[in-house]
Amino acid sequence: NAGVMQNPRHLVRRRGQEARLRCSPMKGHSHVYWYRQLPEEGLKFMVYLQKENIIDESGMPKERFSAEFPKEGPSILRIQQVVRGDSAAYFCASSPGQGPNYGYTFGSGTRLTVV
Amino acid sequence: AQKITQTQPGMFVQEKEAVTLDCTYDTSDPSYGLFWYKQPSSGEMIFLIYQGSYDQQNATEGRYSLNFQKARKSANLVISASQLGDSAMYFCAMRGLISGNTPLVFGKGTRLSVIA
Repeated sequence: NAGVMQNPRHLVRRRGQEARLRCSPMKGHSHVYWYRQLPEEGLKFMVYLQKENIIDESGMPKERFSAEFPKEGPSILRIQQVVRGDSAAYFCASSPGQGPNYGYTFGSGTRLTVV
Repeated sequence: AQKITQTQPGMFVQEKEAVTLDCTYDTSDPSYGLFWYKQPSSGEMIFLIYQGSYDQQNATEGRYSLNFQKARKSANLVISASQLGDSAMYFCAMRGLISGNTPLVFGKGTRLSVIA
């Protein structure tokens, strides 16, 4: 039973390019969350999705960032026209349900470096 | 809104000793869950332990225990018999229940270094 799969593990992009980060949740998990971690910081919530729906995107920058979780395939976090400040680790997590007793299973993260 | 505060940026502990990592929280939710995660230098986030706000007993998982003091809004992690492999960042997190669902909120973390 594979865990949360994120790819790529490392991604290097030049300023102005697009970054696409992929996340396949654990089998049986329909709730996907994206977090961003800056160096020496905690994880900051970005967006929460269920299949084909964005439930909460309150933590996502209004411009250049978008996320989707299609009916088939992985969840995608897309960053357009990347800037140096986008360099961070991006973690995806999944859970089988909502509610305070459901913790998350995290993927290994994607380290994005913008040069 | 939920808030997690971890006041110890870094901690040192001697191998085989016990260590307590502090965590205080703030929420207006009547029902919530508290979590601890470990992040070793390799970067992955590893779930350690969970405490529900209505649980009567403090949670324990092997060498990890959670010292839950609801009135003080604290959820400290206790690691007994520290091992070199415990050196890592430790994050306290919480999740409440408002109108259906709220995402997990993290503190800034505590870096634990275990000394031989």
